[in-house]
Amino acid sequence: AQKITQTQPGMFVQEKEAVTLDCTYDTSDQSYGLFWYKQPSSGEMIFLIYQGSYDEQNATEGRYSLNFQKARKSANLVISASQLGDSAMYFCAMRAFGGSARQLTFGSGTQLTVLP
Amino acid sequence: KAGVTQTPRYLIKTRGQQVTLSCSPISGHRSVSWYQQTPGQGLQFLFEYFSETQRNKGNFPGRFSGRQFSNSRSEMNVSTLELGDSALYLCASSLERTANTEAFFGQGTRLTVV
Repeated sequence: AQKITQTQPGMFVQEKEAVTLDCTYDTSDQSYGLFWYKQPSSGEMIFLIYQGSYDEQNATEGRYSLNFQKARKSANLVISASQLGDSAMYFCAMRAFGGSARQLTFGSGTQLTVLP
Repeated sequence: KAGVTQTPRYLIKTRGQQVTLSCSPISGHRSVSWYQQTPGQGLQFLFEYFSETQRNKGNFPGRFSGRQFSNSRSEMNVSTLELGDSALYLCASSLERTANTEAFFGQGTRLTVV
């Protein structure tokens, strides 16, 4: 079984500053994928970034980067140059290769508020 | 390329009724998964369909069921609705079933049971 832990229920950041959202995971599988999603108040889950367990480089997508530390089982999301539109709920999720299960396991989320 | 489409967006039902939600995945995607999101339980996996077959099911009662059609569109059905079924139901579409395949979500159907 997989488990995702997000220990920051809420975070505040000043506009144009960088912010790091924490995510730790637990799995017995050797092959897995880690995902970050953004959920605005409208409800849609927006895919942000993906990191594979065997990827040697940290994933980056525009202003988003994933700080992947495999030994620590952490996959923190870094948002650079925060914008007001970044205010939303952020979820870390994982999906493992092992077994037949292919569903995403989600953390409890972090509510990010960007201050003007 | 159109994204994942879920219909309806909002729904109000009475206890004891049944409801059917629809999800049209991204064109070419064969895997569809359903999730329930509530403030208390967070995001919980309901079931996954691939090539018209249910591949995996979460820990939900038998009142929750689903199916997938040959065009990959999926429906989920909840019978004998309970107040606790009020939630945002999200559908995710993936090209394949591999773990490194990105999953794209629809806007969700917000179900309120009164």
